[in-house]
Amino acid sequence: DQQVKQNSPSLSVQEGRISILNCDYTNSMFDYFLWYKKYPAEGPTFLISISSIKDKNEDGRFTVFLNKSAKHLSLHIVPSQPGDSAVYFCAASGHLYAGGTSYGKLTFGQGTILTVHP
Amino acid sequence: GAGVSQSPSNKVTEKGKDVELRCDPISGHTALYWYRQSLGQGLEFLIYFQGNSAPDKSGLPSDRFSAERTGGSVSTLTIQRTQQEDSAVYLCASSLVRGLQPQHFGDGTRLSIL
Repeated sequence: DQQVKQNSPSLSVQEGRISILNCDYTNSMFDYFLWYKKYPAEGPTFLISISSIKDKNEDGRFTVFLNKSAKHLSLHIVPSQPGDSAVYFCAASGHLYAGGTSYGKLTFGQGTILTVHP
Repeated sequence: GAGVSQSPSNKVTEKGKDVELRCDPISGHTALYWYRQSLGQGLEFLIYFQGNSAPDKSGLPSDRFSAERTGGSVSTLTIQRTQQEDSAVYLCASSLVRGLQPQHFGDGTRLSIL
């Protein structure tokens, strides 16, 4: 039962163009969504996140869109650069709140390999 | 260092041996998580610790796996009587716990069971 899915194993984009990475989820209890970038032999690096009360969050070249009714989120990278070439994982969490603190394990998609060509 | 530190970075051991993997979280992060990524697979949750609360062990694949966190900081993941299917990259992450906070990952330990 894969609760977070990235249906595109790979994506190839020309430098300067937009990269759009997609992610679908099934668990309606998820309330926090994140995108990570991963280079070989390194741990995932946090890129951007969005809570379920928003539908868009922007940070520089990176924008995450959330469509709760469709249980879909996407990451837009504009403009794409060769250094963006990596594996991108989306992740989701259903947070637990207790005594003023919040925490939640992440459920990851399978990843999408992004290649940005010069 | 400012990031999550894991050691060793690589570990090769024979089937049946016990292994210990160490994680040093970001200072001030009270939540600590262990994940693993097997070849060709996504990241899989194993266990997490939050302060003095009982850990959530729901992701541990068998009773050969255990973890502890001493003094609310460093954590050790132990795998007893290793099997070849335990071969994977074991990743540790930590986070703050006020509001919605991202988890920050170490570079992992690549475990190979011969």
